[in-house]
Amino acid sequence: GAGVSQSPSNKVTEKGKDVELRCDPISGHTALYWYRQRLGQGLEFLIYFQGNSAPDKSGLPSDRFSAERTGESVSTLTIQRTQQEDSAVYLCASSLERQPQHFGDGTRLSIL
Amino acid sequence: AQSVAQPEDQVNVAEGNPLTVKCTYSVSGNPYLFWYVQYPNRGLQFLLKYITGDNLVKGSYGFEAEFNKSQTSFHLKKPSALVSDSALYFCAVRDIGSGTYKYIFGTGTRLKVLA
Repeated sequence: GAGVSQSPSNKVTEKGKDVELRCDPISGHTALYWYRQRLGQGLEFLIYFQGNSAPDKSGLPSDRFSAERTGESVSTLTIQRTQQEDSAVYLCASSLERQPQHFGDGTRLSIL
Repeated sequence: AQSVAQPEDQVNVAEGNPLTVKCTYSVSGNPYLFWYVQYPNRGLQFLLKYITGDNLVKGSYGFEAEFNKSQTSFHLKKPSALVSDSALYFCAVRDIGSGTYKYIFGTGTRLKVLA
């Protein structure tokens, strides 16, 4: 597709379950970012991938959070043993180096 | 450390009037600066950027922003606001001298244009 695609668009799960969020970046974009946006707040950086370099994981809030990306393609963000404070919109963005980021519409995660 | 401040949570303006959404930043080196807009239940859309060159940058939908190095500001402006401009606006900065690829986003300013 032409834009960044995220799935699912909405996810409701019970506390303690694991969830996996998916991001399909724009083809050819070497950089991929994950952000968390809590209700009424700004964007919180989680993790950054650039080509085959080691990812910058400095924004991951705990060891329950992990992310993978294979080459310059799909990325998955996994949250293990979800907690209620994980409820947020998770946004993915991709870009060419030093160019503006293109955002997906996000996954709205609700933990019951 | 990089930081971005958007001092106003909300800005109200009458349709047809000029609008300004404020942004100040702090970086140790030279900044890349961006403005994004977010509509309800959507991701962020790119409006404009400053990398180098002219301090006045023109972007999408009639928006512009002025880079002011001495005041470390990058305020977003539009000469005549439309009701359809009502949305959440984010300023973002990246310190190109730091070696980091991280972008720091402000907390957002909600713009409300009144008919």
